[in-house]
Amino acid sequence: AQSVTQPDIHITVSEGASLELRCNYSYGATPYLFWYVQSPGQGLQLLLKYFSGDTLVQGIKGFEAEFKRSQSSFNLRKPSVHWSDAAEYFCAVGAGVTGGGNKLTFGTGTQLKVEL
Amino acid sequence: DAGVTQSPTHLIKTRGQQVTLRCSPKSGHDTVSWYQQALGQGPQFIFQYYEEEERQRGNFPDRFSGHQFPNYSSELNVNALLLGDSALYLCASSLYSANTEAFFGQGTRLTVV
Repeated sequence: AQSVTQPDIHITVSEGASLELRCNYSYGATPYLFWYVQSPGQGLQLLLKYFSGDTLVQGIKGFEAEFKRSQSSFNLRKPSVHWSDAAEYFCAVGAGVTGGGNKLTFGTGTQLKVEL
Repeated sequence: DAGVTQSPTHLIKTRGQQVTLRCSPKSGHDTVSWYQQALGQGPQFIFQYYEEEERQRGNFPDRFSGHQFPNYSSELNVNALLLGDSALYLCASSLYSANTEAFFGQGTRLTVV
């Protein structure tokens, strides 16, 4: 069975500083990987996804993530954080049995706080 | 494109009651999945519907059931509510056979008292 680990429960960064959120996954085959963001009381918005091909993927809002098969990681990065990036971030792996976006397994999330 | 819509947005129920939550998928999508997100946790997969049948199921009891209609919309039913069922219930739509992402609705906040 697939699993996702997000080691950092809370992260605080200063506005303008760089950001890296860690994600490690466990899955027997080639994974479908996603990063979602959630504002308080809201649904999930997709930031970016990896299905195949280039291991560095670009997403919305200036985010990027790098798939490293050897480390079973899919870390999320942003060069310069804005105050509006404060939210909870979830890494997820798709089972890929059918479509990539079906039956997602999520990590427990990382709460990002941005200091002005 | 209205995206994924869920109703109601908030709901308060008493222990032992039954509840029905509704979801309309994004236009063009044929698959609906339901997730439960307890406070401070990541979403947990409940089940998935495609062609009006439950295709995959997570580790949830039979009190959780669902339905998909010919127009691809879906309902989640929970019977004999427990306090522990209090959570944000998220609906996600996707394409069953394509490698695309899932789009999520804003969720229904269920409080069981």
